[in-house]
Amino acid sequence: AQRVTQPEKLLSVFKGAPVELKCNYSYSGSPELFWYVQYSRQRLQLLLRHISRESIKGFTADLNKGETSFHLKKPFAQEEDSAMYYCALDNAGNMLTFGGGTRLMVKP
Amino acid sequence: DAMVIQNPRYQVTQFGKPVTLSCSQTLNHNVMYWYQQKSSQAPKLLFHYYDKDFNNEADTPDNFQSRRPNTSFCFLDIRSPGLGDAAMYLCATSPTGLAGGSSYNEQFFGPGTRLTVL
Repeated sequence: AQRVTQPEKLLSVFKGAPVELKCNYSYSGSPELFWYVQYSRQRLQLLLRHISRESIKGFTADLNKGETSFHLKKPFAQEEDSAMYYCALDNAGNMLTFGGGTRLMVKP
Repeated sequence: DAMVIQNPRYQVTQFGKPVTLSCSQTLNHNVMYWYQQKSSQAPKLLFHYYDKDFNNEADTPDNFQSRRPNTSFCFLDIRSPGLGDAAMYLCATSPTGLAGGSSYNEQFFGPGTRLTVL
């Protein structure tokens, strides 16, 4: 069975500092990984997916199959990045398994 | 704007009193999902529809049922809500499902319905 782990429930950084939100997964097949974000009073929405290999709002995430990780990174955090971030795994059936989420707080 | 709409946003029911949550979409997606999200926890998939094909997750309680009368609407029925069913219920849609081709598609979420059980 697949599992997604986000070890940090809360991550607090100052504006301009680098940020890394950790995500580890367990899955026997070839997974597709996503990061979803929920800003205050907004709906859950896709931030980025590993297959696209793109940078969204300055965030990037690299799939490391050896370490079974998909950490989300941004070199310089902004206050508007404050939100709840969920890592999710798709097992090729369009079914998502979510991690427990990390709340990112960016302080001025 | 094409979107996923959930009504009501807040629902209060009594212990054991049946309740129905509704979801509608203007995206014309063929897959619709219902998730349960308890406080400080991950969204947990309850079931999904691929068109009219209903798929229940193995650990979804029998107390939870769903109906999808057409492409646009999907309902979550809780037959006898218990205190442990208090949660945020999220509806989501996706343009493809289990059939062939790329299945790595974005899911589009509604704002959720927060259910309180008294």
